[in-house]
Amino acid sequence: KNEVEQSPQNLTAQEGEFITINCSYSVGISALHWLQQHPGGGIVSLFMLSSGKKKHGRLIATINIQEKHSSLHITASHPRDSAVYICAGQNTGNQFYFGTGTSLTVIP
Amino acid sequence: GAVVSQHPSWVICKSGTSVKIECRSLDFQATTMFWYRQFPKQSLMLMATSNEGSKATYEQGVEKDKFLINHASLTLSTLTVTSAHPEDSSFYICSARAGTGRETQYFGPGTRLLVL
Repeated sequence: KNEVEQSPQNLTAQEGEFITINCSYSVGISALHWLQQHPGGGIVSLFMLSSGKKKHGRLIATINIQEKHSSLHITASHPRDSAVYICAGQNTGNQFYFGTGTSLTVIP
Repeated sequence: GAVVSQHPSWVICKSGTSVKIECRSLDFQATTMFWYRQFPKQSLMLMATSNEGSKATYEQGVEKDKFLINHASLTLSTLTVTSAHPEDSSFYICSARAGTGRETQYFGPGTRLLVL
């Protein structure tokens, strides 16, 4: 069992839909990261969270430390949001635990 | 945001040859650089962590004599896959961080290696 689990593994949505990707972790972490991997492989760091909620444009990330759970929300989804979204936990020793990713396809 | 580049983006080589991949931080000094490997449909796996001027720290199961890492300057780290074999075919990604704490990591675009 992975230390970081994501769901769903694959997600197809219609343009404009509200999307939620979930991440649960079983290890102690000091920060949680949401990463976006484009079809060509390049990775962009979207959020780094220690608590609460962060918002950047149409993206919202939340974390519940007690429940060891984080969510990434995309409002008004667009085809350009199609990518793999990766959740990663970082512990105080700076070790990362990566989820296997959620492949999102947004259809026009 | 900060930019990290990798070169080459693609490489195809014959079994037994060595391949060098460069990772550069273009607009900041990277105290720490990380090398990851990603097999198809799998998550990123950390291979090693390198701090400028010191030897890299390899993760368990990663052969340090096969994957040579050099972090000779604050803007450049190289990963050399020595005597590459088909099972080394993978997507290699580097990331760089300005400090040694919880600063944001900036990821490179990755290098696809295919060993024939």
